[in-house]
Amino acid sequence: AQSVTQLDSQVPVFEEAPVELRCNYSSSVSVYLFWYVQYPNQGLQLLLKYLSGSTLVKGINGFEAEFNKSQTSFHLRKPSVHISDTAEYFCAVNGGSNYKLTFGKGTLLTVNP
Amino acid sequence: DTAVSQTPKYLVTQMGNDKSIKCEQNLGHDTMYWYKQDSKKFLKIMFSYNNKELIINETVPNRFSPKSPDKAHLNLHINSLELGDSAVYFCASSPPDRRSSYNSPLHFGNGTRLTVT
Repeated sequence: AQSVTQLDSQVPVFEEAPVELRCNYSSSVSVYLFWYVQYPNQGLQLLLKYLSGSTLVKGINGFEAEFNKSQTSFHLRKPSVHISDTAEYFCAVNGGSNYKLTFGKGTLLTVNP
Repeated sequence: DTAVSQTPKYLVTQMGNDKSIKCEQNLGHDTMYWYKQDSKKFLKIMFSYNNKELIINETVPNRFSPKSPDKAHLNLHINSLELGDSAVYFCASSPPDRRSSYNSPLHFGNGTRLTVT
């Protein structure tokens, strides 16, 4: 079985501040990890993914995430956020269940001016 | 040239009615999905088809029936709608190659907001 926990349901920050959105996972097998972003009234878009190799993964829009196997974490970071980054962010894991991605409950990032 | 398109975007209907949501993808993907997003934004997979074959069928009431006439289309029919069916339903697809299914990113449509009154 696999599961994902996003520790913060809401994260408010000011523009140009750094941000970290936390994600922890559990799986009995090797995992593939993803972050998706959902802007209002839209579907989800892939931000970045970790499959193997370097534990630091860079994605679109200046986001990056670090895979930490010992802490079973895959936290998302951005050094300086913009108003346009306001959205819901979902961490997801695929740990061996073909075709079946398990999503966390999402973190609403609100960037204030 | 929308990649994954769903219709309708909004669907308001009364309890007990039967409705359908259509989904089409022009990405050449073999695998398609239906996800349900509840009012708390929680996303849960409902069904998945690979080359028109049902491969994932989560614990979903029998009132929900997916149909895949070809690998570019996956429709969702819902019978006897209930208040609890109100949600946003997302269609998604992922690339072919069974070996890469673990790491294939999902491509989502923009969702269908279903409201049952």
